[in-house]
Amino acid sequence: DAKTTQPPSMDCAEGRAANLPCNHSTISGNEYVYWYRQIHSQGPQYIIHGLKNNETNEMASLIITEDRKSSTLILPHATLRDTAVYYCIVRVAGTGSARQLTFGSGTQLTVLP
Amino acid sequence: KAGVTQTPRYLIKTRGQQVTLSCSPISGHRSVSWYQQTPGQGLQFLFEYFSETQRNKGNFPGRFSGRQFSNSRSEMNVSTLELGDSALYLCASSFGVGTGHGYGYTFGSGTRLTVV
Repeated sequence: DAKTTQPPSMDCAEGRAANLPCNHSTISGNEYVYWYRQIHSQGPQYIIHGLKNNETNEMASLIITEDRKSSTLILPHATLRDTAVYYCIVRVAGTGSARQLTFGSGTQLTVLP
Repeated sequence: KAGVTQTPRYLIKTRGQQVTLSCSPISGHRSVSWYQQTPGQGLQFLFEYFSETQRNKGNFPGRFSGRQFSNSRSEMNVSTLELGDSALYLCASSFGVGTGHGYGYTFGSGTRLTVV
């Protein structure tokens, strides 16, 4: 799986958009970008994923650059409960493939009141 | 629906002892993966079980083992505990092996193991 690079920490004011970048310059054509987050003392939680198109769900939006070498997770209106470590993971999809999730260091997002 | 249940939540053991942790997956999920999380190494994959068979294994010594039962519940065992085994142990359940997509994993809240 391709390696990802994320800033170690970011702050965001409550109510503002949080934009979390991820670099995955070695991504290959069949690798998806997944985002998980881990709130303190809990297990990671799936947020969103995408291949090459921008994606949006009830939690967040994912913007993937045209060359797919980087992406940005957007939390449109951050709340204090969004304070967590956010992990960007690049992984091949495919049924039956026994491929684990490889977590990097992630970005510690702190939402400030 | 009920989430992934891990027991116990906290555990304190002495060096040299062994420990068994339990994970009950979401109903209908047949795959269970185990991860170790430490401040120094982050989240590291231990192993994955599907249909009572280990399908994938991370880079951990043989002291770490696991098994899965016919009802998909899984246990992991660590023998001859070392201080460095102190960690949060997380399990994740998914419908199938590798689950096709990386969004299919649901994690439990983990077992916090402290070795003294």
